[in-house]
Amino acid sequence: DADVTQTPRNRITKTGKRIMLECSQTKGHDRMYWYRQDPGLGLQLIYYSFDVKDINKGEISDGYSVSRQAQAKFSLSLESAIPNQTALYFCATSQGAGTEAFFGQGTRLTVV
Amino acid sequence: GENVEQHPSTLSVQEGDSAVIKCTYSDSASNYFPWYKQELGKRPQLIIDIRSNVGEKKDQRIAVTLNKTAKHFSLHITETQPEDSAVYFCAARPNYGQNFVFGPGTRLSVLP
Repeated sequence: DADVTQTPRNRITKTGKRIMLECSQTKGHDRMYWYRQDPGLGLQLIYYSFDVKDINKGEISDGYSVSRQAQAKFSLSLESAIPNQTALYFCATSQGAGTEAFFGQGTRLTVV
Repeated sequence: GENVEQHPSTLSVQEGDSAVIKCTYSDSASNYFPWYKQELGKRPQLIIDIRSNVGEKKDQRIAVTLNKTAKHFSLHITETQPEDSAVYFCAARPNYGQNFVFGPGTRLSVLP
């Protein structure tokens, strides 16, 4: 089945380290998103991309950067991780406007 | 921009009873409203959605209603079962291609 795959699934890193979370999809969708989930705060948008040459900041982009290497790949980087970036991170994809988003399995990131 | 509120934040019901979760949105341009279910440790998955040209949609025990004038929409689950226990998120999305805005979520517990 076509899917959205995130790697790694779990990661513990130290404060100040650079870390990359990767997302790949086989759904053929043009739009990709990175969300952060903290308990009780729902899903907050970090960055989104409508195609390979289009990258946009979401509501909580500070401290993060992204790269859309291909239509199927969208990576999220934390340049210098800090403890309050400890969270569950989801990648998602969608096709066009007015259609559902499909989520990856999530990456649980802990910054110590 | 769009803002989505969701109530209640937690909801406990007895097995077999109905559960209702309500959301309000602010942007009258929003016209796609999905509902996602997130089981513990899993990714959010779409359970039902509705577009602004429809007032109600049903799928077995799940229904969604939309009141465009009041800018609110609701999820109704009838004959609840323990496997309905999860966090439910509503979302709104304008059709002009902007992003999903999610509500903060409702933790539903179905007590046996």
